[in-house]
Amino acid sequence: AQSVSQHNHHVILSEAASLELGCNYSYGGTVNLFWYVQYPGQHLQLLLKYFSGDPLVKGIKGFEAEFIKSKFSFNLRKPSVQWSDTAEYFCAVLGTNAGKSTFGDGTTLTVKP
Amino acid sequence: ETGVTQTPRHLVMGMTNKKSLKCEQHLGHNAMYWYKQSAKKPLELMFVYNFKEQTENNSVPSRFSPECPNSSHLFLHLHTLQPEDSALYLCASSQAQGTDQETQYFGPGTRLLVL
Repeated sequence: AQSVSQHNHHVILSEAASLELGCNYSYGGTVNLFWYVQYPGQHLQLLLKYFSGDPLVKGIKGFEAEFIKSKFSFNLRKPSVQWSDTAEYFCAVLGTNAGKSTFGDGTTLTVKP
Repeated sequence: ETGVTQTPRHLVMGMTNKKSLKCEQHLGHNAMYWYKQSAKKPLELMFVYNFKEQTENNSVPSRFSPECPNSSHLFLHLHTLQPEDSALYLCASSQAQGTDQETQYFGPGTRLLVL
């Protein structure tokens, strides 16, 4: 069975601070990894994804994530957050033999202006 | 707009009512999903349809009944719900399920309140 753990439930930062949201997964085989974001009052949308190749993945709005296979991690980073990054962030894993994606609990990010 | 629409956007129903949620995707995808999103709880996968066949039922109570007449439409029929079923119900679609094309595109959700 696959599982996803997001360590931070609520993160509060000031504008221009650097961000790192943790995501660890449990699955014994090859994985595809995703970060989704849900802005207040808006749809869940894809931020970035990793399927294969370069483990450093760049997404929209200046976000990036690094897949570290040895640590089963896929942490999300942004060097300088903005107030508009206030949202809920979900990490998801798809084990290629699992047949379905599993989402983490989500991390609420609040950026203070 | 993600290409996935859901109606109604808000629904209030009594415990004895019967209602249906509708999801439509305009992306040419073959897989469709129902999720439940409750406050302070993780996103819960409810059902998955792949090429109109149900491939996942995540131990959902029978008061929730899905229907997928074709790859573009997905319904969730509701009857005799409980107040704890109040939540945001999200529909998603992807090119296919369980493959490297399973990037999911979400609809705006239906906010359901059961009185």
